[in-house]
Amino acid sequence: EAQVTQNPRYLITVTGKKLTVTCSQNMNHEYMSWYRQDPGLGLRQIYYSMNVEVTDKGDVPEGYKVSRKEKRNFPLILESPSPNQTSLYFCASRPGTYQPQHFGDGTRLSIL
Amino acid sequence: DQQVKQNSPSLSVQEGRISILNCDYTNSMFDYFLWYKKYPAEGPTFLISISSIKDKNEDGRFTVFLNKSAKHLSLHIVPSQPGDSAVYFCAASEWTGNQFYFGTGTSLTVIP
Repeated sequence: EAQVTQNPRYLITVTGKKLTVTCSQNMNHEYMSWYRQDPGLGLRQIYYSMNVEVTDKGDVPEGYKVSRKEKRNFPLILESPSPNQTSLYFCASRPGTYQPQHFGDGTRLSIL
Repeated sequence: DQQVKQNSPSLSVQEGRISILNCDYTNSMFDYFLWYKKYPAEGPTFLISISSIKDKNEDGRFTVFLNKSAKHLSLHIVPSQPGDSAVYFCAASEWTGNQFYFGTGTSLTVIP
């Protein structure tokens, strides 16, 4: 089954404790992205990747890192999480330009 | 600054009637537009898209209309069904297709 898989689905952690949210897609898609969804703000793009080792900042990259060492994986790293990063996060992938994105089911992060 | 706006947070429609969801954008460079549907605890799923060279695209019960001069797009669902009850997001990107901008969503309730 074609899918984007995120882990964990839920995480409660404390300020400053490094965490990684994994994202994996099995559709051989070139493009991958991370978004956060906040009330009243919709989905905002954090980072995107056009291919292996090619990444760029989206609208809200501060406090986040990404890497794309393999085509299928695109982890989101919070080196020193803060409470303002409490949010619902989505990973997405798509095959190319003018193609829709496929989303994972989301990761709800709470940072105390 | 929100480049894609959905000014109606919610909409209620009787089953069998038409649902019309609206979206406005500010960036005249946007040329690819999409609608996504989202159920609770799931990621957004792609519904329908349109490129700027067209003003209408249909897929079954779903039709998207694009008015470039007004920077406005709308999604029509006919006839509406209870299973259509979800949050609908519109999204847009420029021709480079790397960055996507989402609206804040409209929660549609279809009343049986």
